[in-house]
Amino acid sequence: NAGVTQTPKFQVLKTGQSMTLQCAQDMNHEYMSWYRQDPGMGLRLIHYSVGAGITDQGEVPNGYNVSRSTTEDFPLRLLSAAPSQTSVYFCASSYRGPGTSGSLYEQYFGPGTRLTVT
Amino acid sequence: EDKVVQSPLSLVVHEGDTVTLNCSYEVTNFRSLLWYKQEKKAPTFLFMLTSSGIEKKSGRLSSILDKKELSSILNITATQTGDSAIYLCASGVQGAQKLVFGQGTRLTINP
Repeated sequence: NAGVTQTPKFQVLKTGQSMTLQCAQDMNHEYMSWYRQDPGMGLRLIHYSVGAGITDQGEVPNGYNVSRSTTEDFPLRLLSAAPSQTSVYFCASSYRGPGTSGSLYEQYFGPGTRLTVT
Repeated sequence: EDKVVQSPLSLVVHEGDTVTLNCSYEVTNFRSLLWYKQEKKAPTFLFMLTSSGIEKKSGRLSSILDKKELSSILNITATQTGDSAIYLCASGVQGAQKLVFGQGTRLTINP
């Protein structure tokens, strides 16, 4: 198993450009999520998905779009990049417990994408 | 607003010391608390805690949850330089549909 993969590893964008960060997992996990990590701020949830066709906003969703057309893939789109989006982005996936309120199990993280917006 | 707070934010100790890292949470409908270790790359899972008072151990690391105090601690005994990392805790909230992370504790072990 490859686990959770992310591409690209590094990216530099100019303000106003758009791009998509790719995330894929081969563990058949229902739950996938995107986080950004800034110095001194831990991980902040951007968007998450509890299954194909279902997405929801996290703590810091503005400026980002997601979709989940398959169980395996969960791309993150930046529509118009801004310097405030300079960060390290992690994708993660996990099983969920039974029922709509099932506990999340351990999340498996991808290697991250370091994005710089100038 | 759901919140997870870790302390201290930074800690420097000598090899062989024992350290205790703290995590407190204020979240709606608490489901679980998780600890992760992050070196120069992605976080890796250490523990998930759901029941109060039951210690989880893995080698020199152990963790326990106190639901009455809304907190958890992570202990590392006989620290080694390889324990140097950022330690993150996170809480499952709102029916466990998402995790909220603390700021992390940066632990440095000097030889």
